[in-house]
Amino acid sequence: RKEVEQDPGPFNVPEGATVAFNCTYSNSASQSFFWYRQDCRKEPKLLMSVYSSGNEDGRFTAQLNRASQYISLLIRDSKLSDSATYLCVVIGGGSYIPTFGRGTSLIVHP
Amino acid sequence: DTAVSQTPKYLVTQMGNDKSIKCEQNLGHDTMYWYKQDSKKFLKIMFSYNNKELIINETVPNRFSPKSPDKAHLNLHINSLELGDSAVYFCASSREFQSSSSYEQYFGPGTRLTVT
Repeated sequence: RKEVEQDPGPFNVPEGATVAFNCTYSNSASQSFFWYRQDCRKEPKLLMSVYSSGNEDGRFTAQLNRASQYISLLIRDSKLSDSATYLCVVIGGGSYIPTFGRGTSLIVHP
Repeated sequence: DTAVSQTPKYLVTQMGNDKSIKCEQNLGHDTMYWYKQDSKKFLKIMFSYNNKELIINETVPNRFSPKSPDKAHLNLHINSLELGDSAVYFCASSREFQSSSSYEQYFGPGTRLTVT
């Protein structure tokens, strides 16, 4: 089983839709979780950290499910500009080495 | 006001050559990283330095040698380049290392290396 797994997609949704991605991790001792966004041919940019109690930033909601070992990202009212690849990052479990998932591609169309 | 900068942005070279990529951050961060993103878009950490000390060294051929002259700079030198080294190399920095709440990383724009 890979350390961090994501459905590569693409998720193809119309503007205004709600879309959710999951990211599963194998190390139960993992401590920190993040979502990054990467546009085509650009660098990854931090979207949001994921806190144990879940957190929200505008249209974006991140949640952590430790029992089932996954994190999720929910995007409400999708915009064309949300089209990108969303990478989850897991850190911890005895080391501070960040492990990236392969990313989930989102395409928002008019 | 670039936070993390890398040079060059593009690098095309022949097999067997030696090349360097430079990275600088002006965020005052203690920790810097090198990542490799291959053609399948998989982003994998190579090295990390904290206050000029090597703290992460993943399974990377010893043809790759990082150097950190100070905590704002982390350079990557690659000897005897091979076709498989073609990838995008990203530099990143974060505030500190052994504090997971401060682990948010800021990436440079990337260096697209093509080995022919």
